[in-house]
Parts: sequence; C-alpha cells; structure tokens
Amino acid sequence: KNQVEQSPQSLIILEGKNCTLQCNYTVSPFSNLRWYKQDTGRGPVSLTIMTFSENTKSNGRYTATLDADTKQSSLHITASQLSDSASYICVVSDRGSTLGRLYFGRGTQLTVWP
Amino acid sequence: EADIYQTPRYLVIGTGKKITLECSQTMGHDKMYWYQQDPGMELHLIHYSYGVNSTEKGDLSSESTVSRIRTEHFPLTLESARPSHTSQYLCASGGTTDTQYFGPGTRLTVL
Repeated sequence: KNQVEQSPQSLIILEGKNCTLQCNYTVSPFSNLRWYKQDTGRGPVSLTIMTFSENTKSNGRYTATLDADTKQSSLHITASQLSDSASYICVVSDRGSTLGRLYFGRGTQLTVWP
Repeated sequence: EADIYQTPRYLVIGTGKKITLECSQTMGHDKMYWYQQDPGMELHLIHYSYGVNSTEKGDLSSESTVSRIRTEHFPLTLESARPSHTSQYLCASGGTTDTQYFGPGTRLTVL
C-alpha cells in the first residue's frame, strides 16, 4: 500500500532555531517528492521538489534531502522565523499513472515561538 | 503562487441545504482536482478531471458531484448537506507535469 508517514506530528521551537522534519514513504514506482507548506486556512504551497536522482534541494532557508534507497526525506529549516509556523506536508508522486497521483502525509505542525 | 481561486472561503449552512463550492483557474490547466482535508489529517482526493466533460471519482468516497463544462471552472456540489460534510475542501489544478497548484480552500461547516 502506498503510504507517506511524517514525524514528528507537531513541533514547537524558538525563533532563530533550526529544525528537521522527517518523511518516510512506501510509494512505488517513485516519481518525485515534494514538500509543501500549508498556512492555517490556506492551500498548500510547494517548497521543493526532488526526483529520484536528486538528493538535496534548497529554497532559501529550507533544505530538503532525499534518500531514494531508504525511501526517506527530510526538510531542514534554518534560522526559523515566526512566519514559518505552518503545517509542512510531504507529498510523493508515483510514476504509474497519467493522473499524476499524489500521496500526502498528514503533515508536521510547526509552531515557532518568539 | 498560482492563479487558482475558490469561493466562498468560509461557509456555514444548515442541514439539507444545497451548496456549490466554486473553483476557477486562469492558467489553462487541463487537470483539476478536489480534495477533502480534516484538521490534522492528510488530503484525500474526492474528484478529478482531465479536461472539459471529463470527471472521475477519487480515492475517498464522497456524496458530492462535480462538473467540468469549461476548462477554467470545476465546481463541486452537495445536493443535501449534512454535518458529516463539515471539512475543508481544497481545489487544485495542474498542467502537463504532475505539479498541482492549490487554491486557498473552502472551510465548510454544516450545522
């Protein structure tokens, strides 16, 4: 069964600190993995996308890593800001359908305190 | 951020009412999607469309229906809303790649 598991479920950090969010998946065949940021009451917005051959991708203070062998990804946030408070969702796309089926994790709810 | 819009953003209605959630995109995307998301849970695909006059049910069974008469519009309708329909509904669209661009969502509460 294609699944995406994220940890931790929620996380509280102080402003300026770094944090790392984890994502494990069983989706096969694998096409790509995305990290989305979803602010409360908003739709998800894509942060990074990585294909099988990429093992790291940065977008400002966000750095995502991918280990396609172990089917694990992480999202590292550097020097956190209050605006980073959001849900971070790991999304994996399979290669097996023209639909471009996406498999969503439940997200990690990050809260940044001043 | 992509040009995809949803209205209304928030809706509180009574049981038994008929409602239509609007979704429109200005990117000319052929593919459009409706997802349902409960708090703290993952998004579940309830409907999708490959193009005009093409609609399919998604993974999660839903009593809602959709239509795709025009490329840019993908409205979702509930003929008789119930409290169990209370949720957030997210619309998304995509082009030739599998990237999906999401709207801001409609938070529906059925009393």
